[in-house]
Order: sequence, then structure tokens, then C-alpha cells
Amino acid sequence: DAGVTQSPTHLIKTRGQQVTLRCSPKSGHDTVSWYQQALGQGPQFIFQYYEEEERQRGNFPDRFSGHQFPNYSSELNVNALLLGDSALYLCASSPPLWVGAEAFFGQGTRLTVV
Amino acid sequence: AQSVTQLGSHVSVSEGALVLLRCNYSSSVPPYLFWYVQYPNQGLQLLLKYTSAATLVKGINGFEAEFKKSETSFHLTKPSAHMSDAAEYFCAVSWDFGNEKLTFGTGTRLTIIP
Repeated sequence: DAGVTQSPTHLIKTRGQQVTLRCSPKSGHDTVSWYQQALGQGPQFIFQYYEEEERQRGNFPDRFSGHQFPNYSSELNVNALLLGDSALYLCASSPPLWVGAEAFFGQGTRLTVV
Repeated sequence: AQSVTQLGSHVSVSEGALVLLRCNYSSSVPPYLFWYVQYPNQGLQLLLKYTSAATLVKGINGFEAEFKKSETSFHLTKPSAHMSDAAEYFCAVSWDFGNEKLTFGTGTRLTIIP
């Protein structure tokens, strides 16, 4: 089992640009969540996707958007990048509720905005 | 607002000594509780979880945690520290079924002294 995989691992973008990050969930998982982890901080919840729809959203602006595909993989899009968007972006996948209650995290994508 | 507090952003213990990392949550309703570990430039790895079963939870790598409702605490312990335990530890809480939105503490960096 490959676990949760994210791509790319590192990315450098310029202010004002747009970026797309990708996530493949662990086999058997149907829910994908995205988190932003700034340097020296705990992860902050961005949003969660289930059945190709956004189910929950944290306190992030509309510049942050996402998508979930029929195979449960997901993308995180950030428009009009700001320097403050520099962070480690973590994807987490979860199994159906009747299977268990836990989230498995990927290795993350390190985004640097210059 | 619901929150998670980790007391001590940095903890140092000698190799072989007891490890105690503190976590308190703000809620009158027992939530789902998790401890994650993060090694440098890595994602998060689940150490253990509490989901309303036994109050003493055993996890991987010799770690365990005890849920105390009266103290709203979920402290992480390990009887004997090993050099490989040096990492960042995050307490996380979910108030919805356990695989929904996670709220993280700010983390505790554990240093092991040889």
C-alpha cells in the first residue's frame, strides 16, 4: 500500500501566480482533507472533500479551492499567491466512518512564494 | 471556540528517562483525540488515538496516553526515551466522528539528551 501520496514535493512560485497541488489517498479511503502548516506551527484545516464535494471548510479565503475526482484523488488550488501562503501543505485521507476514525497524512508539498 | 493546548513548546529529556508531553482540550463533550509525530521534512504519523473506548491508549513505539475527562487532558507518555524519539509531537482533536476536521495544538519539540 503506497499510503497517501502528494505531488510535487517542493514548489517555488512568484507572488500573484496560481498553484495546483495533488493528492492520492490511501487505498480504501474516500475522504480527503487539506491542511496548511506554517513554519513552527501546527497544521491548520483548509477544507475536506467527500463524494466530490466540499464537506467542511476552515477559515481560509476563497483563493483556496479544491476538487475531488471520482477515484477519490484531490487537488488544492491557490490563486493570487501571497508571501504568507508559503508553508507545508499536507493532505490527509480517511476511511469510511464504519471502518475507523483516523486520518493518514502524506509527506506534504513545501510551497515557497517569492 | 474549541481549542487544543500543548504545554511546553520544547521538552528535553535524557535518554532512558520518562517522556511526558501535555495536551489539554476545551470541550464539555469528550472528543476524539490523537497524537501525531512529525520528523524533520516529513508528514505526520499517527502514534495513537482515543475514540471513547479504553481511557488508557497504547500506541506505536512504546508511547501511551491516558484520557482524563475530569481534567480534559490527553497527555502522552513513554517510560524510557530513545534517541530516535527526537521529533515534533502534535496533539489533535476531532469533535465529529474522528475522521472529520482535526484541530491541532501548536506542537512540542522533543529533544533527547544522550
